[in-house]
Amino acid sequence: KAGVTQTPRYLIKTRGQQVTLSCSPISGHRSVSWYQQTPGQGLQFLFEYFSETQRNKGNFPGRFSGRQFSNSRSEMNVSTLELGDSALYLCASSLDQGSRGNSPLHFGNGTRLTVT
Amino acid sequence: AQTVTQSQPEMSVQEAETVTLSCTYDTSESDYYLFWYKQPPSRQMILVIRQEAYKQQNATENRFSVNFQKAAKSFSLKISDSQLGDAAMYFCAYKSLGNQFYFGTGTSLTVIP
Repeated sequence: KAGVTQTPRYLIKTRGQQVTLSCSPISGHRSVSWYQQTPGQGLQFLFEYFSETQRNKGNFPGRFSGRQFSNSRSEMNVSTLELGDSALYLCASSLDQGSRGNSPLHFGNGTRLTVT
Repeated sequence: AQTVTQSQPEMSVQEAETVTLSCTYDTSESDYYLFWYKQPPSRQMILVIRQEAYKQQNATENRFSVNFQKAAKSFSLKISDSQLGDAAMYFCAYKSLGNQFYFGTGTSLTVIP
C-alpha cells in the first residue's frame, strides 16, 4: 500500500506570494491533518479534514486554509506569505475509527517551504 | 486543551545501552491514546509505539517499551540495546477523544558508537 504522498518536497517563495501544498493520503484513509514543524516549536496543528469537511482547526491565522476532495486528497494554501511561514509542513492521514479508535497518524515526508 | 511536555530537548546514549525519554501530559479526559513517533533526518515521522489509556499493561514493541503511569500522567519511552539507527528526534503525542493529536516539542537522541 502506498504511503502518504506530499508534493512538492521543496518550495521557495517570496514574501507576499501564495502557495499551495498537496497531500494524497493512504488509500482508505478519510482523515487528513496538516502540521507546521519549526525548530524548537515541535509540531503545530493546522487543521484536520474528514469527508471533505474541516473537523478540527488549530490556532493559525486565516491566511492558512485547506480543503479536501472527494477522493480524500487534500490541499493546503497559505496566502500573503511571511518570513515566519518558513517551515516543514507535514501531512498525515489516519483510518478514522471514531473517538474510541487507536489508529495512529501516518505521515508524509513533508514539504519544506522557504520564504525569502 | 491538552498539553504534552517533553522536558529533555537532547539526550545521548552509548550504543547497546538503554535510554529513557520522558513525556508528561495534562488532560481532564479519562480515556485517550498515547503515541511515540520517531523522526530521523529523512524527515518522515514513523510510529514507534502506542498505548491505550484504559490498558494497565505497558506496551512493548521489540526493543521499545513504555512506562505508562496514568495517575502521574507520565508516558516515558525506553529504548533497550540502542542502535545507531535509533538516532532521531522523538515526539510524544496524545490523541484526544475528539480525534485531535497533541505533540510535545521533541527529544533529539544521539547514539554514540
